[in-house]
Amino acid sequence: GENVEQHPSTLSVQEGDSAVIKCTYSDSASNYFPWYKQELGKRPQLIIDIRSNVGEKKDQRIAVTLNKTAKHFSLHITETQPEDSAVYFCAAPLEGGYNKLIFGAGTRLAVHP
Amino acid sequence: GAVVSQHPSWVICKSGTSVKIECRSLDFQATTMFWYRQFPKQSLMLMATSNEGSKATYEQGVEKDKFLINHASLTLSTLTVTSAHPEDSSFYICSATTGKGNTIYFGEGSWLTVV
Repeated sequence: GENVEQHPSTLSVQEGDSAVIKCTYSDSASNYFPWYKQELGKRPQLIIDIRSNVGEKKDQRIAVTLNKTAKHFSLHITETQPEDSAVYFCAAPLEGGYNKLIFGAGTRLAVHP
Repeated sequence: GAVVSQHPSWVICKSGTSVKIECRSLDFQATTMFWYRQFPKQSLMLMATSNEGSKATYEQGVEKDKFLINHASLTLSTLTVTSAHPEDSSFYICSATTGKGNTIYFGEGSWLTVV
């Protein structure tokens, strides 16, 4: 089955700096990699995802890169703002399916003004 | 986008009692829904896959007789925590999708506190 590892567990940056969170996965058949942002007590919100047929995807200040050979993918947030402070989770599908997600341990991002 | 609703948002129950949590897809049909549990400051752990019209499939370590899942229609899945104990206190979240390969939508989550 799939195993997803996420680093770092906590990340503290100054406003305006960039933040990078990395995840590795074990199942080479996995083909869908979403990133979620979760604020305290709320549901995870999808912020960006990437499928295995592309190596990078960008949406304004957020980008995700995928290296299928190395089985890792990363979240990049540029020009961070205090409202980016939250817990971020990467995920990968279990058993190659798209919808049955296994989540990383999470990264608590703190953006200081 | 599609909406997934959970009810109740929070519930307090006495130890030994059962509590039911509902997960509804409001504007789409979900043949498959997923139930997750999240303890404070931890990640989401997949508990089970809820399949419309058939038995749920449970992840390793999840007691199927304790966490009863029913998916009676294409828009509703329920999770019943039976004989709840304080260690069952957690944030329970469901997810649903319009189909394989499509975006996954999460419910708002349900806080369960067992006293």
